[in-house]
Amino acid sequence: QSVLTQPPSVSGAPGQRVTISCTGSSSNIGTGYDVHWYQQLPGTAPKLLIYGNTNRPSGVPDRFSGSKSGTSASLAITGLQAEDEADYYCQSYDSSLSGWVFGGGTKLTVL
Amino acid sequence: QVQLVQSGAEVKKPGASVKVSCKASGYTFTRYYMHWVRQAPGQGLEWLGIINPNGGSTSYAQKFQGRVTMTRDTSTSTVYMELSSLRSEDTAIYYCARDSRTAYDSSGYYCFDDWGQGTLVTVSS
Repeated sequence: QSVLTQPPSVSGAPGQRVTISCTGSSSNIGTGYDVHWYQQLPGTAPKLLIYGNTNRPSGVPDRFSGSKSGTSASLAITGLQAEDEADYYCQSYDSSLSGWVFGGGTKLTVL
Repeated sequence: QVQLVQSGAEVKKPGASVKVSCKASGYTFTRYYMHWVRQAPGQGLEWLGIINPNGGSTSYAQKFQGRVTMTRDTSTSTVYMELSSLRSEDTAIYYCARDSRTAYDSSGYYCFDDWGQGTLVTVSS
């Protein structure tokens, strides 16, 4: 059972927009800790996709965007491409656990 | 550029210990915290703990306290993660991941901006 809750899967056709939600609690997202997102392509290590709720590292296309409100956050991907098919994880810090926490991951399928 | 190169795959018997290494290059080793994260087959990511290469202080996830030890060797810019009393549920890919915050003043974001390639640890009798 992950501390942050994500849908197990989402899907969309090429060119469409999809969103992935990440729900936390008052001891992590709700207390002001930032949410970060990672993309994990099959057989590879995770890669930082969004940091500090809304910021993209250099090299990440602006098709990827993040937002945060209250105890939840979302990752939006517009203009879906086949190469976006991957697992996506949200991550934050939890003050009750005194540690870093992840969502269970969401598998994105491009139809 | 930042590179984190981990040691090779390991096969261990239940009850044994494993020690995984992560050699850093491309930046000042003592400047950034380092974490260990694992991923069981077909499962999500799980945080094990953090080490400050500048001094060696550590903090471990409650689940692993007493079983995990993280150390560093500043002369070779390498961090180590040792997990003891292995059981089948410890079968996973273990990643080192660099914290984006600087260890001197903890400024920055609580996220992982670079990852090692992963080390598969298999626990089987």
